[in-house]
Amino acid sequence: QSALTQPASVSGSPGQSITISCTGTSSDVGSYNLVSWYQQHPGKAPKVMIYEDYKRPSGVSNRFSGSKSGNTASLTISGLQAEDEADYHCCAYAGSSTWVFGGGTKLTVL
Amino acid sequence: QLQLQESGPGLVKPSETLPLTCTVSGGSISSSSYYWGWIRQPPGKGLEWIGSIYYSGNTYYNPSLKSRVTISVDTSKNQFSLKLSSVTAADTAVYYCARWFTSSWHLDYWGQGTLVTVSS
Repeated sequence: QSALTQPASVSGSPGQSITISCTGTSSDVGSYNLVSWYQQHPGKAPKVMIYEDYKRPSGVSNRFSGSKSGNTASLTISGLQAEDEADYHCCAYAGSSTWVFGGGTKLTVL
Repeated sequence: QLQLQESGPGLVKPSETLPLTCTVSGGSISSSSYYWGWIRQPPGKGLEWIGSIYYSGNTYYNPSLKSRVTISVDTSKNQFSLKLSSVTAADTAVYYCARWFTSSWHLDYWGQGTLVTVSS
């Protein structure tokens, strides 16, 4: 069971859109519709932004969207705002009641 | 409002066992709709799933940690616990407890996290 692969960092200017990728294998990301994304501000606990690949919890801005193609899931944030600057982590079901996270991506709003 | 609170020593010596407890308030740990889990984050790194437990006591562990991890639940105290044995400096991390919502399989509530340092 290896960690999912995320870019270490991404950046964008206010108002722009960015996409963070999360690459796994056919045993995790590619096998189940159970990818979730978490936002984490410094010193804080993570907060779920997307679950089941693309669903948004109540209260999460519709500027956040999730998608998946094959073994790669993606999180897109549109209309970037300063408050979106944070770390983002993907998580996927890996079978046999086990879970795997990505290495995390630091988003910088320029 | 559901709250989770981690408790335990902030410093553990190498080769010893790291013990943490998560106290759940504002809701029952015995609900069939949830699993309860431990996740850790080494300084400056990503999250790592350690393991999960159901109120019935069924446990699931990260294969890479399985030989050293024990997770247990005490429904009478509304708590679940983590024990990680034979710790090394690589186990230094912020440890979070969290709730898995089984209807949609995501972590919907997290504790604030507790930093555990492994050092002599």
